[in-house]
Amino acid sequence: NAGVTQTPKFQVLKTGQSMTLQCAQDMNHNSMYWYRQDPGMGLRLIYYSASEGTTDKGEVPNGYNVSRLNKREFSLRLESAAPSQTSVYFCASSEALSLRYGYTFGSGTRLTVV
Amino acid sequence: GQQLNQSPQSMFIQEGEDVSMNCTSSSIFNTWLWYKQDPGEGPVLLIALYKAGELTSNGRLTAQFGITRKDSFLNISASIPSDVGIYFCAGQEGTGKLIFGQGTTLQVKP
Repeated sequence: NAGVTQTPKFQVLKTGQSMTLQCAQDMNHNSMYWYRQDPGMGLRLIYYSASEGTTDKGEVPNGYNVSRLNKREFSLRLESAAPSQTSVYFCASSEALSLRYGYTFGSGTRLTVV
Repeated sequence: GQQLNQSPQSMFIQEGEDVSMNCTSSSIFNTWLWYKQDPGEGPVLLIALYKAGELTSNGRLTAQFGITRKDSFLNISASIPSDVGIYFCAGQEGTGKLIFGQGTTLQVKP
């Protein structure tokens, strides 16, 4: 089925460890995004990529890095995980920053940092 | 940055009742979107609104883009158990990015 695929679905890290969250979309979308979801906070934008080859900071970028590997893939890296980064991470994509059809979201990665 | 205030934060209703939730912003948005998130899943788009004053329906759901472009509401009529989930409003700011509200958690008692 067409959509946004995130891996892994669950992850437990120790403080200070690093990891990369993977995201791939097969809808030929130009723009991709990483959000984190915390209780009572809604979805907050971490980084986004308006098009292949570009990335920009969102609302809460500290502690994260991203790579737009190609048009399909957009990864999120935690270099030194902290307990404050315990959250559910969602990747999303859209045709462009113009939102004719909204964003399509993946099913999320549930990350716990102990 | 811009913030959206979504209310209520949670609702617990009886099956068959109507539901209303809204979002307000201190800034103008070009587009309003409403999403639903089922447990363990990502948000799914319900309704998109592109013009001030626009009223759009999708089955039992009706949403409106406020005239001032600073607010939007979502109504669900005759709720059923599968309406359970978290509903998010989202507004598109001038740069093109989406800003999300805090979410409304809906529980429906059969």
